[in-house]
Amino acid sequence: EAQVTQNPRYLITVTGKKLTVTCSQNMNHEYMSWYRQDPGLGLRQIYYSMNVEVTDKGDVPEGYKVSRKEKRNFPLILESPSPNQTSLYFCASSDASWRGGTDTQYFGPGTRLTVL
Amino acid sequence: DAKTTQPPSMDCAEGRAANLPCNHSTISGNEYVYWYRQIHSQGPQYIIHGLKNNETNEMASLIITEDRKSSTLILPHATLRDTAVYYCIVRVFNAGNMLTFGGGTRLMVKP
Repeated sequence: EAQVTQNPRYLITVTGKKLTVTCSQNMNHEYMSWYRQDPGLGLRQIYYSMNVEVTDKGDVPEGYKVSRKEKRNFPLILESPSPNQTSLYFCASSDASWRGGTDTQYFGPGTRLTVL
Repeated sequence: DAKTTQPPSMDCAEGRAANLPCNHSTISGNEYVYWYRQIHSQGPQYIIHGLKNNETNEMASLIITEDRKSSTLILPHATLRDTAVYYCIVRVFNAGNMLTFGGGTRLMVKP
């Protein structure tokens, strides 16, 4: 089954304790992205990646890092989490690429993060 | 990406067609209309997209006006599981960039 998986689904942590949220897709997509969703603010893009070793900032990259060492994985790293990073996080992938594709984005189930 | 306007909420009776409108009067020639939905804090789900012709798939139909300034998503036989927030997005195809979700329409399907 084609899917995007995220782990963990729920996480409660404390300020300053480094954490990683994993994202994996099994559709051989080149494009992957991270979003956060907050009440009243909709979905906002954090980082995206057009291919392995190619990443770029989205709208709200401050406080986050990403890496893309393999096509299927795109982890989101919070080096020193703060309470304002409490949010619902979504990873997405699509077959968009410079060669074409449908540009349809497939989203993971979400990770609800609470930073105390 | 062009701005879209959707009604904040709509109700629909179970088994009836749900018609969700979207205005995108500033759409440009190379921008597509996409529809996604989000069921209570789950990951957004792609529904359908189109450029200027009407489109249909197993989930829904998309009707785009001739001037492309508005469109309607049709769920032909709404079920309770279709209760969700529906987002209309206008964007350049294969831009490789982010989706911008506006407020969307909260569709409530009632028994």
